[in-house]
Amino acid sequence: DQQVKQNSPSLSVQEGRISILNCDYTNSMFDYFLWYKKYPAEGPTFLISISSIKDKNEDGRFTVFLNKSAKHLSLHIVPSQPGDSAVYFCAASPSGAGSYQLTFGKGTKLSVIP
Amino acid sequence: SQTIHQWPATLVQPVGSPLSLECTVEGTSNPNLYWYRQAAGRGLQLLFYSVGIGQISSEVPQNLSASRPQDRQFILSSKKLLLSDSGFYLCAWSVSSRGEQYFGPGTRLTVT
Repeated sequence: DQQVKQNSPSLSVQEGRISILNCDYTNSMFDYFLWYKKYPAEGPTFLISISSIKDKNEDGRFTVFLNKSAKHLSLHIVPSQPGDSAVYFCAASPSGAGSYQLTFGKGTKLSVIP
Repeated sequence: SQTIHQWPATLVQPVGSPLSLECTVEGTSNPNLYWYRQAAGRGLQLLFYSVGIGQISSEVPQNLSASRPQDRQFILSSKKLLLSDSGFYLCAWSVSSRGEQYFGPGTRLTVT
């Protein structure tokens, strides 16, 4: 059973526009969420995270929104740039004893068109 | 600054052969270390987790094992590879048991 779901395998956006990547989770114990960016044949790079005590976290062009009641989070990239083209993974970790364990979604491939 | 190294970058091994993948971290002490696998079309799956030398937690029953002989060295091994062991193997580290994990460049393993 997938506890972290990224339902869109791919997304295409025009350069300069907003990219919105979505992620849903089912485990109510998840209370810390992260986004990673991955280029082909490389390891994922940490982008931004958010704790469940917040509903928004911003870092430059990247903003993550968390809706706990809907068990949904999203990553906004504004403005999108061609270098943002990559696979984006959403990840979540629970509170308590298993907090080291990140559960990843399958990823969304973002293509930013010049 | 901290860096993480993995080698080899790519590996092609026949079924039944042994495996040894190595990961080292520089610039930090007593990191938490992780081995992940990404199979084709799937997300990252945590295989092993270590909080210190000789301390290994296995998350998924499988054909693989892990060891941590030194503080900043993490090794993934197998005595006999299976076709299903093919995938992209990633080592990661973190400074605590909570929060961001930082990944190495990965090893692409193909079992033939």
